[in-house]
Formats: sequence, C-alpha cells, structure tokens
Amino acid sequence: ELKVEQNPLFLSMQEGKNYTIYCNYSTTSDRLYWYRQDPGKSLESLFVLLSNGAVKQEGRLMASLDTKARLSTLHITAAVHDLSATYFCAVEANFGNEKLTFGTGTRLTIIP
Amino acid sequence: EADIYQTPRYLVIGTGKKITLECSQTMGHDKMYWYQQDPGMELHLIHYSYGVNSTEKGDLSSESTVSRIRTEHFPLTLESARPSHTSQYLCASSEEAGNYGYTFGSGTRLTVV
Repeated sequence: ELKVEQNPLFLSMQEGKNYTIYCNYSTTSDRLYWYRQDPGKSLESLFVLLSNGAVKQEGRLMASLDTKARLSTLHITAAVHDLSATYFCAVEANFGNEKLTFGTGTRLTIIP
Repeated sequence: EADIYQTPRYLVIGTGKKITLECSQTMGHDKMYWYQQDPGMELHLIHYSYGVNSTEKGDLSSESTVSRIRTEHFPLTLESARPSHTSQYLCASSEEAGNYGYTFGSGTRLTVV
C-alpha cells in the first residue's frame, strides 16, 4: 500500500523567510504532483513532476523530485501572506493506473 | 471554457434522505474520480471511472455509489444519508494524469443532520 507523508503538518512562518515542505512516499514512482487548497475551497494544481531530478518553479515556489530517495520538496522563498494555504503532494500509485494517493497536507500560515 | 462543475456547492439534509451529488466536466476527459475530505484533512479516493460504463471503488470504503453513463457526467449517490457522511466531496477528472495531473471541481460540502 502506497503511503505518502508530509512534514511538517503545520507551519507558521514570518513574511520574508524561506522554508521547505517535505513529501516522502513509500513505493517507486516517477510521478508526483503538488496542489494548493485555500480554506473551504477546492484544489489548485501547482506543479507536475514527471522524472527524477525534475525541478519546477513558479514565483516564490519551487518544487523538486528525487525518485531514488522517494522525496519531493516544495521550497518557499521570501514568503508573503498570499501563500497561506494548505499544500498537498500526491503520488501516482503504480505507473499507468493514474490513481493518486495524497499526502496528509501541510497547513502553512504566513505571519505579517 | 473547459471546466469541471459540481452541484450543489453546499447541502444540508436530514438523516435517511437519498441524495445525488452532481459532477460534470466539459473537457472530454475519460478518467474521473471522487474524493472525500474532512475539513483540513487528507483526501481519500472513494470511486473512480476510466470511461463510460466503467466504475471502481477506491481505497476508502464508502456507502455511496456512482454511475458513468456519459463521458461528461459522474454523479455520486447516497441512498440513505447518515451523519457519518458529513464531509466535503471533491470530483476530479484527468485526460493523461501523468502529464497534467487532475482538475478538481469546486466541491460539495455535505452536512447530514
């Protein structure tokens, strides 16, 4: 059974600071996705990582994938209040079946 | 504009009632999914479909049922709602999940009283 773990579960950080969210998964996979969810809202796709060493960047967020370590990171640079949300990583369970298993989520709060 | 729609957005209903949550997408995606999410918690797959007349149960056991008679439509039905069904239900679709991931609907927040 595929397990996806994120840490930390809760993160409170000041504006302007840098931080990293970690996503570990338990089985071989080359496909990992990051989503953002605002309170009471649905999920918004942030990044699609499809190979070992993949790195994607959008604004103050950068995601990377190390398939050998079964680890993805979401790095936040110079945080701003608008980044406050819950961030989920999701992993495709077995290549080709396209079912995603989601992590526990990281609730990020940016303090002015 | 291509999108995925869920209705109703919010629903409060009494115990024992039958309900259907609607999900429709205009993107022509073959694959559709239903996830259940308690507030602030992780998502659990309860049903999925890889095309018309294809439905499968997900990883989390659910008393709900689904149907897929048309590509664009993937409704979820609870025959007899109970308070334990109170949750948010998220519908998603994908064409090639490996390349683009899922597109999620806005969700239905269900409260059973």
